[in-house]
Amino acid sequence: TAGITQAPTSQILAAGRSMTLRCTQDMRHNAMYWYRQDLGLGLRLIHYSNTAGTTGKGEVPDGYSVSRANTDDFPLTLASAVPSQTSVYFCASSDGTSGVNEQFFGPGTRLTVL
Amino acid sequence: GQNIDQPTEMTATEGAIVQINCTYQTSGFNGLFWYQQHAGEAPTFLSYNVLDGLEEKGRFSSFLSRSKGYSYLLLKELQMKDSASYLCAVEDSNYQLIWGAGTKLIIKP
Repeated sequence: TAGITQAPTSQILAAGRSMTLRCTQDMRHNAMYWYRQDLGLGLRLIHYSNTAGTTGKGEVPDGYSVSRANTDDFPLTLASAVPSQTSVYFCASSDGTSGVNEQFFGPGTRLTVL
Repeated sequence: GQNIDQPTEMTATEGAIVQINCTYQTSGFNGLFWYQQHAGEAPTFLSYNVLDGLEEKGRFSSFLSRSKGYSYLLLKELQMKDSASYLCAVEDSNYQLIWGAGTKLIIKP
């Protein structure tokens, strides 16, 4: 089972350019999440989706957009990248129905904006 | 505001026991998670507590006191592979996870 895959693994991007980070899960999980992780800070939620067709804003949504056209895919788009968006981005998913709402994480995308 | 506090770094000796503390103040509480994250890798789930008390899972145990807003992760018989960051996260009233900055655990032989 692949679980969650993310692409690309890493990327260097010029400021002002746009980019889409891809995330795909094969666990048929309802909920998906995008986090950024910066040194000295906890994981911060960017956007989430509780089910296909719906999305919501997390703690740090500015400069990012998402879509959830189907259950498996949850791409994150940076419309015009800025250096402060340099970070490691993790996609995660969870069953989101009941009980322990454990989140499963993808391997991450390391993004550098110059 | 919402806040999760845990020590930045701890050092322990191989074969010993270490306790990593986490205190929290959140809007609502639906459970507390501990994750392990090795350098350069994704976080992986370790434990979940929603009721007060101790949950044991092999060498790892997690404790929760909701009245004190406090949890700890106890690691026994430490191995070199336990060198990692340990992340505390609380599920708030909106069922979103609020994350601590993580505790980097260094194991010395």
